Amino acid sequence: GAGVSQTPSNKVTEKGKYVELRCDPISGHTALYWYRQSLGQGPEFLIYFQGTGAADDSGLPNDRFFAVRPEGSVSTLKIQRTERGDSAVYLCASSPPDSSGANVLTFGAGSRLTVL
Amino acid sequence: SQQGEEDPQALSIQEGENATMNCSYKTSINNLQWYRQNSGRGLVHLILIRSNEREKHSGRLRVTLDTSKKSSSLLITASRAADTASYFCATEGNQGGKLIFGQGTELSVKP
Repeated sequence: GAGVSQTPSNKVTEKGKYVELRCDPISGHTALYWYRQSLGQGPEFLIYFQGTGAADDSGLPNDRFFAVRPEGSVSTLKIQRTERGDSAVYLCASSPPDSSGANVLTFGAGSRLTVL
Repeated sequence: SQQGEEDPQALSIQEGENATMNCSYKTSINNLQWYRQNSGRGLVHLILIRSNEREKHSGRLRVTLDTSKKSSSLLITASRAADTASYFCATEGNQGGKLIFGQGTELSVKP
């Protein structure tokens, strides 16, 4: 597609429920990133993929959070047993391969998660 | 974790004035990037400066990088009301891949 697509754009759920957020990156972009952003804060790194594998998952806050990218394109961020503190905008970004080692990110519009 | 510290947190200027935002970071970097965000949703890449560069220009944007002080500044010249947004610096380390963002500067340009 022309840009990074994220669905759903808004998700309201109850505490304790399971949530999946989907990201469809730009075709040909090998790197895919997940961030979350709370109001008035900068994006907080969660995880990034190179191809199918998670190259760095050091930002995942705990084992309730998991992300996959099985075919090296679409990615799903999965949150189990949601808590009110998980409420935030979840941003996905992708980046093309760059031989110089610089990753320039194109972001999606985000998925706003509200946990009641 | 946040790598960058930005100041000021908020900046309000009149149209036509210049806006300067600063970013400091903690660890060695491969490059530093600036992004803009409107309405709290997706970010848009503005400019990238590599660790071996000191200054870069793009249109009305000027970025400087001082690796000895671990700091960067973004200058927007002749600001317009449409420049109103939040601006974030992001650093990519020498290991590559992960970009760490600062807390951002909220810029308001009054017509």
